Amino acid sequence: GAGVSQSPSNKVTEKGKDVELRCDPISGHTALYWYRQSLGQGLEFLIYFQGNSAPDKSGLPSDRFSAERTGGSVSTLTIQRTQQEDSAVYLCASSLSGVPYNEQFFGPGTRLTVL
Amino acid sequence: DAKTTQPNSMESNEEEPVHLPCNHSTISGTDYIHWYRQLPSQGPEYVIHGLTSNVNNRMASLAIAEDRKSSTLILHRATLRDAAVYYCILRGTGSARQLTFGSGTQLTVLP
Repeated sequence: GAGVSQSPSNKVTEKGKDVELRCDPISGHTALYWYRQSLGQGLEFLIYFQGNSAPDKSGLPSDRFSAERTGGSVSTLTIQRTQQEDSAVYLCASSLSGVPYNEQFFGPGTRLTVL
Repeated sequence: DAKTTQPNSMESNEEEPVHLPCNHSTISGTDYIHWYRQLPSQGPEYVIHGLTSNVNNRMASLAIAEDRKSSTLILHRATLRDAAVYYCILRGTGSARQLTFGSGTQLTVLP
């Protein structure tokens, strides 16, 4: 079946512009996660959605970052007034639920470059 | 989630078994041990997970110490495509649901 998809695959933007990154999780997966990976760095958690519960936003680095998940499926990560330090690969993952024995399936990521 | 410790890098020859160690001395009784890997320019990929007993799947085996303070991911016959960063991650039943990635082990497979 189809895996997690993300769009765009690459995004180049100018400092100060807003960007939207999209994630289509695997159908039926109630848990959705956003992570980012800066060049040469490890993966950093950003936000977690589980069903209709309030999202866990504890990993968002600043109030310029926000995310929503519509209809329990597609999610959009929005970065306002982008800065050069926002340049990274943004990865989305989904799992059947948030329980600790469920594996997470990752998308290919969106590479964001802020000039 | 409790912390894990892995070697920064390891090398293996193609077609030989690889044993990737992970220490997790502060593991709690409800923590699952997960392994993910990240191939170059790709998102992480699930490899295997376990709780107390050793586990096998098509990709690898997971050997868990009796006291659960360490575990070993075993690739039975390394191929060049197994070259990746391997992450050992503990996932518990606490409020955090995300994966917490450390620095992992960079596995190099030599032809």
